[in-house]
Amino acid sequence: QVQLVQSGAEVKKPGASVKVSCKASGYTFTGYYMHWVRQAPGQGLEWMGWINPNSDVTAYAQTFQGRVTLTRDSSISTVYMELTRLRSDDSAVYFCARREHFAFYMDVWGKGTTVTVSS
Amino acid sequence: QSALTQPASVSGSPGQSITISCTGTSSDVGGSNYVSWYQQQPGKAPKVMIFDVSRRPSGISNRFSGSKSANTASLTISGLQADDEADYYCSSYTISSTYVFGTGTKVTVL
Repeated sequence: QVQLVQSGAEVKKPGASVKVSCKASGYTFTGYYMHWVRQAPGQGLEWMGWINPNSDVTAYAQTFQGRVTLTRDSSISTVYMELTRLRSDDSAVYFCARREHFAFYMDVWGKGTTVTVSS
Repeated sequence: QSALTQPASVSGSPGQSITISCTGTSSDVGGSNYVSWYQQQPGKAPKVMIFDVSRRPSGISNRFSGSKSANTASLTISGLQADDEADYYCSSYTISSTYVFGTGTKVTVL
């Protein structure tokens, strides 16, 4: 079955970086874009960006420009989200979610990875 | 890109219909045919309920319907049921080829 399995929870200090992975299975990895969405505690969803695993093209929300990088390793069907210069307000659950080419919605989501930024 | 505006909460009794609004601008909702709606149960990942303004994914009840007028999209839940109680988020593709979510609406079944 189609699955997106994310890496485990992380605790980081302010100023550090975090890299979260999202391993896809059950479908053709290069046939779908991968998005990242985060949700701070008690807050709403915030779109961060997407990567096309086929072409390695990326797009990022203006809010995260310069701090977030999406990469992929097609050999293991995995996408990575790296966020740098962490602040306390980056503490959130980070979700990966796939989107079919020529579609404009996310149909399968990972369970989320909790990132806590604390000194 | 500012978040789309949704009411913080909407409530209704079982069997009733409720409508959640999602207001954006001509750069997102008003200029896009790609508005989607997600349901999020506590502690869970979001689940798509409506895409392309009014289309339902396979397996989603026809009690859920979507529409759009100008810069405002709407999600209607008819025949409200207890398990519809959740947070709902709209999302729009934008003219900048990015995405934006709404502020979220908590639906309570009385």
